Amino acid sequence: SQQGEEDPQALSIQEGENATMNCSYKTSINNLQWYRQNSGRGLVHLILIRSNEREKHSGRLRVTLDTSKKSSSLLITASRAADTASYFCATLGFSNNAGNMLTFGGGTRLMVKP
Amino acid sequence: EAGVAQSPRYKIIEKRQSVAFWCNPISGHATLYWYQQILGQGPKLLIQFQNNGVVDDSQLPKDRFSAERLKGVDSTLKIQPAKLEDSAVYLCASSPRAKGGEDTQYFGPGTRLTVL
Repeated sequence: SQQGEEDPQALSIQEGENATMNCSYKTSINNLQWYRQNSGRGLVHLILIRSNEREKHSGRLRVTLDTSKKSSSLLITASRAADTASYFCATLGFSNNAGNMLTFGGGTRLMVKP
Repeated sequence: EAGVAQSPRYKIIEKRQSVAFWCNPISGHATLYWYQQILGQGPKLLIQFQNNGVVDDSQLPKDRFSAERLKGVDSTLKIQPAKLEDSAVYLCASSPRAKGGEDTQYFGPGTRLTVL
């Protein structure tokens, strides 16, 4: 089963508006990452937030993490049509082996209308 | 820096046929991953290699799926025989460090498999 669950599953906004996507997970994590996937393409890493961090910024992206609620949010400010894509959260758990195993959620499909 | 390369980009086969996918990770990356992404869902890890050894293959359907990473560089993923439910995009990713940590995974464009 997937660790993360995104909400909403789909989001449609106008260019210039802000987009907020939420992610909930079930077990303890090492870090949480957000990825973007354009239609028909591979995933692109956007931002990583560690379990001891509460907020992180990168350009127009703002990520928050609440480990007590096992949830994270991704905010895209001043959205552009080029932001249209699917956004996935992925959690890195704790492992006894040398792995770096991410567990992905089901994604939020964002459409930004020009 | 060249990205992760995958081939073919698209493949259409009939059920019970065999198919193989190829992945060339970013040069120097120790860890390589194969994911299966069914339409409308997030990627699911199938197998993870560290150099040429398997780290995790717990979600790989071993009765029909196999993967290898020879010489710790390129990797192939094979399905034999294919079922209708194997229709998906198969993504390859690589990351630089051998040990688990915060290193980013870099994804290839994927191979879209359609099983008829």
